[in-house]
Amino acid sequence: GEDVEQSLFLSVREGDSSVINCTYTDSSSTYLYWYKQEPGAGLQLLTYIFSNMDMKQDQRLTVLLNKKDKHLSLRIADTQTGDSAIYFCAAPQGGKLIFGQGTELSVKP
Amino acid sequence: DAMVIQNPRYQVTQFGKPVTLSCSQTLNHNVMYWYQQKSSQAPKLLFHYYDKDFNNEADTPDNFQSRRPNTSFCFLDIRSPGLGDAAMYLCATSSEAGGEQYFGPGTRLTVT
Repeated sequence: GEDVEQSLFLSVREGDSSVINCTYTDSSSTYLYWYKQEPGAGLQLLTYIFSNMDMKQDQRLTVLLNKKDKHLSLRIADTQTGDSAIYFCAAPQGGKLIFGQGTELSVKP
Repeated sequence: DAMVIQNPRYQVTQFGKPVTLSCSQTLNHNVMYWYQQKSSQAPKLLFHYYDKDFNNEADTPDNFQSRRPNTSFCFLDIRSPGLGDAAMYLCATSSEAGGEQYFGPGTRLTVT
């Protein structure tokens, strides 16, 4: 079955770029998703990428997909304190989404 | 705005006292999901409905039940809450199985 892995923590300074990485195992995934969760809140769909793309840009967010290595990354440009949150990548399997463990992003002023 | 609504946002129940959490959606999505999320962990899928078709995860305890009386509403019943059931419960919807999911704000359950 699908297995999704992420590093647990990332700390950056305000204004720097953040890169959050994710690996997955099922190469047949059609879409891959990034969600953001702020403390005490639900998950917010940030962006997604179709499996036949290798890059998608949406304002400050850039998603890179390396299908050969089954590696997905989320780059946040000009990171702000409001970007502090937990970021989950997710891949579909069997009609469900399989979530990574989440990466806690801490942004220091 | 189309959305996923969960009530209440905070629920306190006593050990062993049944509790019901509710979720409603205005997205008219076919699929509704219930997740349990404990601190610093990924959401754990409990079950989902594809329309009226109920799908239980193999490791979801029997203590957890769900009802979906119509497209818009879905309920999570915990028959005899234990201390280990204290968690955030998240409801989500999607237009198709395996598609992007839209989450409600969650209900934080405390068991005393």
